[in-house]
Amino acid sequence: QKEVEQNSGPLSVPEGAIASLNCTYSDRVSQSFFWYRQYSGKSPELIMSIYSNGDKEDGRFTAQLNKASQYVSLLIRDSQPSDSATYLCAVNRGGSTLGRLYFGRGTQLTVWP
Amino acid sequence: ETGVTQTPRHLVMGMTNKKSLKCEQHLGHNAMYWYKQSAKKPLELMFVYNFKEQTENNSVPSRFSPECPNSSHLFLHLHTLQPEDSALYLCASSPAGGPDEQFFGPGTRLTVL
Repeated sequence: QKEVEQNSGPLSVPEGAIASLNCTYSDRVSQSFFWYRQYSGKSPELIMSIYSNGDKEDGRFTAQLNKASQYVSLLIRDSQPSDSATYLCAVNRGGSTLGRLYFGRGTQLTVWP
Repeated sequence: ETGVTQTPRHLVMGMTNKKSLKCEQHLGHNAMYWYKQSAKKPLELMFVYNFKEQTENNSVPSRFSPECPNSSHLFLHLHTLQPEDSALYLCASSPAGGPDEQFFGPGTRLTVL
């Protein structure tokens, strides 16, 4: 079983729409959750972190965490063409693997004008 | 760009060469990481250093040799690499080696001929 799973996409949405990116993880004791954005040829850029159940909003981005369902999502409101990138979900399991991030394969998002 | 720098940005080497990758962080962090990103695969953690001590080696072949002289600098020494080692090598740092946010450098694109 993969540690972190994401739909590879591609996900294509029109400009101004809401893009919804999903991620599931296998280890129930996971402690912290991150979303990174990676443009083609660039390194991952941290855009959201979430540590407790519920929603966390930052500008056009909302992260949602449901530990009971082992599910974390990222919503992008009013999507812009500049949001077109690969979005990586990362999970820190804590415990003996403290400091290790487990990454999904990423979801490729395209926002068309 | 983040406060993590990497040099060189691109490297082409033969299988018999010896080269080193350098990473420097200007964020005052105490933990540093090496990751490998290959096409079609999730980001793979290679090494973790926390307060200059190596705390994790993710079963990396000995042809990759890390060095962390202080909390701000991290090196990856390369020798007798294989073509399948061609990838993007990313350095990251975090405040401490815990469940906190990691910030990536721009990466070194390595090609092994």
